[in-house]
Amino acid sequence: GEDVEQSLFLSVREGDSSVINCTYTDSSSTYLYWYKQEPGAGLQLLTYIFSNMDMKQDQRLTVLLNKKDKHLSLRIADTQTGDSAIYFCAESSNTGGFKTIFGAGTRLFVKA
Amino acid sequence: KAGVTQTPRYLIKTRGQQVTLSCSPISGHRSVSWYQQTPGQGLQFLFEYFSETQRNKGNFPGRFSGRQFSNSRSEMNVSTLELGDSALYLCASSYGTDNYGYTFGSGTRLTVV
Repeated sequence: GEDVEQSLFLSVREGDSSVINCTYTDSSSTYLYWYKQEPGAGLQLLTYIFSNMDMKQDQRLTVLLNKKDKHLSLRIADTQTGDSAIYFCAESSNTGGFKTIFGAGTRLFVKA
Repeated sequence: KAGVTQTPRYLIKTRGQQVTLSCSPISGHRSVSWYQQTPGQGLQFLFEYFSETQRNKGNFPGRFSGRQFSNSRSEMNVSTLELGDSALYLCASSYGTDNYGYTFGSGTRLTVV
């Protein structure tokens, strides 16, 4: 079945770049996403990428997609303490309705 | 515009009871999806409704059910509660005709004792 995997923790220093990686199994995935969750809150959509793209940039965020290896990454430039949160990778395919599968989330710690 | 509203925010129930959670999507959004979030299992897909019809269902027992009303508001019901049902239940809405991502509510924290 569909599966999305990501590492559980990442620690970086303030001002450095953060790179969060994710792999997925569903070759029919049409959209891939990055969401952010802060304590006590729901998930917030950060960005998404179509499966026919290999890169998308949005301000400090860069998403890279390697469809052949089913690998997705999120790079956060100039990481700030306010970026400390859990980041979820997710994939979706239109199978007669939208069903999005999420990874377990990567907890990002930003050290001042 | 108003976000996705979930009520109640917190709920404590006893084993064997049933519970109903409510979700009001963003105005104009016709798709509502429900997820269960636990520390051990992460985000697990429960079901998705679009225009009052269930389009997709996850691998949960029949004790978990849902519905959607004509105004797109949705409810989910869990009957015969078990301790393992303790979780954060998240509702997410979208237009439903594209897959550009969800807007999530803040969730309902259910504790079963």
